[in-house]
Amino acid sequence: QQPVQSPQAVILREGEDAVINCSSSKALYSVHWYRQKHGEAPVFLMILLKGGEQKGHEKISASFNEKKQQSSLYLTASQLSYSGTYFCGTENQAGTALIFGKGTTLSVSS
Amino acid sequence: DTAVSQTPKYLVTQMGNDKSIKCEQNLGHDTMYWYKQDSKKFLKIMFSYNNKELIINETVPNRFSPKSPDKAHLNLHINSLELGDSAVYFCASSQDRGTYTFGSGTRLTVV
Repeated sequence: QQPVQSPQAVILREGEDAVINCSSSKALYSVHWYRQKHGEAPVFLMILLKGGEQKGHEKISASFNEKKQQSSLYLTASQLSYSGTYFCGTENQAGTALIFGKGTTLSVSS
Repeated sequence: DTAVSQTPKYLVTQMGNDKSIKCEQNLGHDTMYWYKQDSKKFLKIMFSYNNKELIINETVPNRFSPKSPDKAHLNLHINSLELGDSAVYFCASSQDRGTYTFGSGTRLTVV
């Protein structure tokens, strides 16, 4: 039931782009994306809903393929502040809580 | 005002002790959660409460018990602490299957 994220880690220089993928074995109502910096709480980035509605961050975009049960997070022209661990979350069977993937660690250097 | 606040931020205790972590949210959300984050950063759902009703309870030892005195509070009580309970515990809240807001976390260390 846990979504699968890839890659596990990404290393970038400022200005480079990255894509983080999230896939599920079950039909999805929504996909959430969160970023967690070291020693801090996860912070909401984006929510993608079945039917195409998106809500979230101005500089980060995402896609949601309902048929393939996949979502991708696109980080373009990365900045140092993008460093952290990115989690995707999908609802559990009952739709009562998010189950998170194992995370993708992004490191951006100057 | 902090949207979701947890206390304490750090907790160091000996094996066998009983401890509690408190959580309060001022967002008016109807659902609150407890997540455990281990050393590998895996965020695991432990409990959720919706309008004071426990609606999920994953494979968590019964030494852990959530208590919600009202919609804005969800406390976590842990009995007979074990070394393996050492982790960061996050409280979170949400409304209508929407975005989750997390507290700043409680780092529990059992020695």
